[in-house]
Amino acid sequence: AQTVTQSQPEMSVQEAETVTLSCTYDTSESDYYLFWYKQPPSRQMILVIRQEAYKQQNATENRFSVNFQKAAKSFSLKISDSQLGDAAMYFCAYQNTGNQFYFGTGTSLTVIP
Amino acid sequence: ETGVTQSPTHLIKTRGQQVTLRCSSQSGHNTVSWYQQALGQGPQFIFQYYREEENGRGNFPPRFSGLQFPNYSSELNVNALELDDSALYLCASFDTGAGNSPLHFGNGTRLTVT
Repeated sequence: AQTVTQSQPEMSVQEAETVTLSCTYDTSESDYYLFWYKQPPSRQMILVIRQEAYKQQNATENRFSVNFQKAAKSFSLKISDSQLGDAAMYFCAYQNTGNQFYFGTGTSLTVIP
Repeated sequence: ETGVTQSPTHLIKTRGQQVTLRCSSQSGHNTVSWYQQALGQGPQFIFQYYREEENGRGNFPPRFSGLQFPNYSSELNVNALELDDSALYLCASFDTGAGNSPLHFGNGTRLTVT
C-alpha cells in the first residue's frame, strides 16, 4: 500500500518570503503521479501543482514549484513570494496506477503580514 | 463547465441510523471517488466508481457502500452509523481517459453523528 507522510503539522512564513513544505511517500510502483492540494477554510480542495514520476524536470506553476527526488521518494512544495491568500492546509497526494489517490495528514500554513 | 456538487452541506444523524450522501460529478468526468476527512486529518480513500462499478476500495467496512449512476453521479451510503463516522465527506471526480487527470473536489458534506 502507498503511504504519504507530511512531517510538518504547522508552518509559518512572513508575507513575501519563501517557504518549503515537505512530503515523502512510500511505493513500489515506478509510474505514478504526485500532487499538492490546498484546502482553505472554505474546505474545498484546490489543485496547486502536479508532477509525473517519469519526468525528471520539476513542475512549476507561477509562485509554486516542487523539488521531486524520485530515488529519495521526496516531493516538497516551495511557495515563493508568499501571499496572505496562501494561508491554508496543504496536502500532498499520490496517485497510483489504479487511479487511486492517497493523501498525507496535511501542513497548516500561516502567512504573517 | 459544471463543477462537482455535493448535497447536503451539513447533516446530523443519530448513532445507528443510516445516511445517504449525494454527488454530481464534473461534466465529462467518468470516475467518482469518495473520501472521509476526519478533523485535522487528510482525506482517506473510501472507494471509487467507474462506469457504475466499484473499481477500488480503501480500508472501510462493508457498511460503507456506494452507487454510480449512468450520468456519473454517485451516492455514498453509510449504515449503522457510529460516532467515529463524524467527518467531512468529500466527493471527487476525474476523467480516466484524459491521461494525468487530477481530482476535482466538491465542497463536501459535514456529517455529525450524535
